[in-house]
Amino acid sequence: DTEVTQTPKHLVMGMTNKKSLKCEQHMGHRAMYWYKQKAKKPPELMFVYSYEKLSINESVPSRFSPECPNSSLLNLHLHALQPEDSALYLCASSQDRLAGFTDTQYFGPGTRLTVL
Amino acid sequence: AQSVTQPDIHITVSEGASLELRCNYSYGATPYLFWYVQSPGQGLQLLLKYFSGDTLVQGIKGFEAEFKRSQSSFNLRKPSVHWSDAAEYFCAVNAGNNRKLIWGLGTSLAVNP
Repeated sequence: DTEVTQTPKHLVMGMTNKKSLKCEQHMGHRAMYWYKQKAKKPPELMFVYSYEKLSINESVPSRFSPECPNSSLLNLHLHALQPEDSALYLCASSQDRLAGFTDTQYFGPGTRLTVL
Repeated sequence: AQSVTQPDIHITVSEGASLELRCNYSYGATPYLFWYVQSPGQGLQLLLKYFSGDTLVQGIKGFEAEFKRSQSSFNLRKPSVHWSDAAEYFCAVNAGNNRKLIWGLGTSLAVNP
């Protein structure tokens, strides 16, 4: 079963709010990803966790804070966002078997975020 | 530097017609290539991938793709398009490590009844 779940499906927040996005996978994958996607554009990588450690941070502003509580869960904490942060936020996971080997990334359905 | 080009921003085909979506990549070593599809408001679904071996790859939903090293291409094909195939299609290549992908800008497919 190649399923990645994300909650909530939709989120509307003000610029002073604090909210969190949640992602879960039960495929035994050891790498998890956060992407941001604007309409009609390819996804932009934000963060990668490998074996529950932050592996890649693509110079994302600190108002986005990732967390990987365990190998199945990935959170993205949001604080003081700007309207331009409105986008579809996608989570993905992959096996992360060997260094230098590209594993297939499986995506969740995304959270549609609107910042007012 | 690695790159992916999808030359067609938008394609319209009639239902039942054949389809070919183009993807060209630039990568110095052996590429790992992917095609993903995204329906409106949805996440990305893997259609197929090429890592090695047979250069003609079969995927889900009746799609196939052919890797041509000499042309640096990985074009996606389907013999008969269904209305439900209307979506955004993204080609991607590995970026030199096992966790980053380089994405094309996507091709938007519309299907006429």
